[in-house]
Amino acid sequence: GNSVTQMEGPVTLSEEAFLTINCTYTATGYPSLFWYVQYPGEGLQLLLKATKADDKGSNKGFEATYRKETTSFHLEKGSVQVSDSAVYFCALTSNAGGTSYGKLTFGQGTILTVHP
Amino acid sequence: KAGVTQTPRYLIKTRGQQVTLSCSPISGHRSVSWYQQTPGQGLQFLFEYFSETQRNKGNFPGRFSGRQFSNSRSEMNVSTLELGDSALYLCASRPNRGSNTEAFFGQGTRLTVV
Repeated sequence: GNSVTQMEGPVTLSEEAFLTINCTYTATGYPSLFWYVQYPGEGLQLLLKATKADDKGSNKGFEATYRKETTSFHLEKGSVQVSDSAVYFCALTSNAGGTSYGKLTFGQGTILTVHP
Repeated sequence: KAGVTQTPRYLIKTRGQQVTLSCSPISGHRSVSWYQQTPGQGLQFLFEYFSETQRNKGNFPGRFSGRQFSNSRSEMNVSTLELGDSALYLCASRPNRGSNTEAFFGQGTRLTVV
């Protein structure tokens, strides 16, 4: 079956530091890859997505590149802010098998705390 | 455009009771999925509905059920509640069933079973 593995957390950084959160996946077919963010007391918001190999998703200074050869989709940001403190989830959907389209498979989440 | 609306936001129930949670998707969205979020298990898929039909189901016992109405609004029901059902239940809507389509999440319903 499909699975997503994220780096262990929590991650604590100082403001303006460089951020990397690693994400690797196992999937059948040609998955679409997503990063979602969850702020305290909120639901999930889409941060960025990539739907085919070598695509780069980007939003609000965050970037991730769909690497089929390494089955990875690592999240990066060059300079984090205190307001980026949240939980980040890597996720995928797969187009293999007609019943699976609507199902998001999530990683375990990475808690990011950014200090001033 | 209004987002995904889940009601109620918070619920406290007693073991053995049943509960119904409601989700109103974004207008025009026909796919509604439900997820359970717990500290131990993370985010787990419960089921997906599209055009009033369940299209996909996760690995949960039969106590968990759902339905979708003709206006795409969805409800999920949990019967014979157990302490382990305490969780944040998230609803997500999508305009269609394409695998590359973004899912929009509601704020969730926090269920506490005592």
